[in-house]
Amino acid sequence: GENVEQHPSTLSVQEGDSAVIKCTYSDSASNYFPWYKQELGKRPQLIIDIRSNVGEKKDQRIAVTLNKTAKHFSLHITETQPEDSAVYFCAAPVNSGNTPLVFGKGTRLSVIA
Amino acid sequence: NAGVTQTPKFRVLKTGQSMTLLCAQDMNHEYMYWYRQDPGMGLRLIHYSVGEGTTAKGEVPDGYNVSRLKKQNFLLGLESAAPSQTSVYFCASSTGGGSYEQYFGPGTRLTVT
Repeated sequence: GENVEQHPSTLSVQEGDSAVIKCTYSDSASNYFPWYKQELGKRPQLIIDIRSNVGEKKDQRIAVTLNKTAKHFSLHITETQPEDSAVYFCAAPVNSGNTPLVFGKGTRLSVIA
Repeated sequence: NAGVTQTPKFRVLKTGQSMTLLCAQDMNHEYMYWYRQDPGMGLRLIHYSVGEGTTAKGEVPDGYNVSRLKKQNFLLGLESAAPSQTSVYFCASSTGGGSYEQYFGPGTRLTVT
C-alpha cells in the first residue's frame, strides 16, 4: 500500500516570504496528488491538486509540482499572508484508481506578520 | 446545500460506554469515509464505503463498526469505548474514489475518560 511522508512538520515564515512543503510517496502507480488546508478548529478543505499527466499546476499564489521519477510532490505558497497560517496535508491514493487516500502527517505553517 | 454534517459535535464517554456518530451528506456522493485525527498523526482512515450497503476497513478499523443503510448516511459505532479512542472524528464524502475531491464534515470531538 501507499506510504506518504511529509516534511517539514512545522514551518515558520515571515509575511511576504515563500513557503514550500514536500511530500514523498511510495507507490509508482499513484496518479492523483491533492493538498488540503485545515485552519484551526475547522475542517480540511482541498486547495489544489495535480494529476500524474502534468508536472505543475498553479492557482494564484499557490502551486503544486510533481516529480514522478523521484516520487515526490511539493506545495509552493508565494507572498505568504497571515491567513495562510494553517495545517497543510498532502495525500495520495492507496493504489491507482478509485481507492482511498493516504494522508501525510501534516505541516503546521505559521506566517509571522 | 448543507454539504456534510456530523452529529454530535462534542461528546464525553466513560470507558466501556457505547455511542454512534452520524454523518449525513446531501450531495448524492457515492463514497463516504470516517477518519480520526490525533495530534501529529494526520488523518487516518477508519472505515469507508463505496456505495449504499457497502463498507470496507481502512488503516485503523479496530474498535469501530460502520453501517451505510442509506446512501446519504454513514454511521460510526464504538461498542466499548477506550481512552485510546479519544480523538477528533471527521466524516467525508466524494463523488468517486481516490482521485476525487473529498468534502469533510465539521468534526466530532470525542473524549473517553
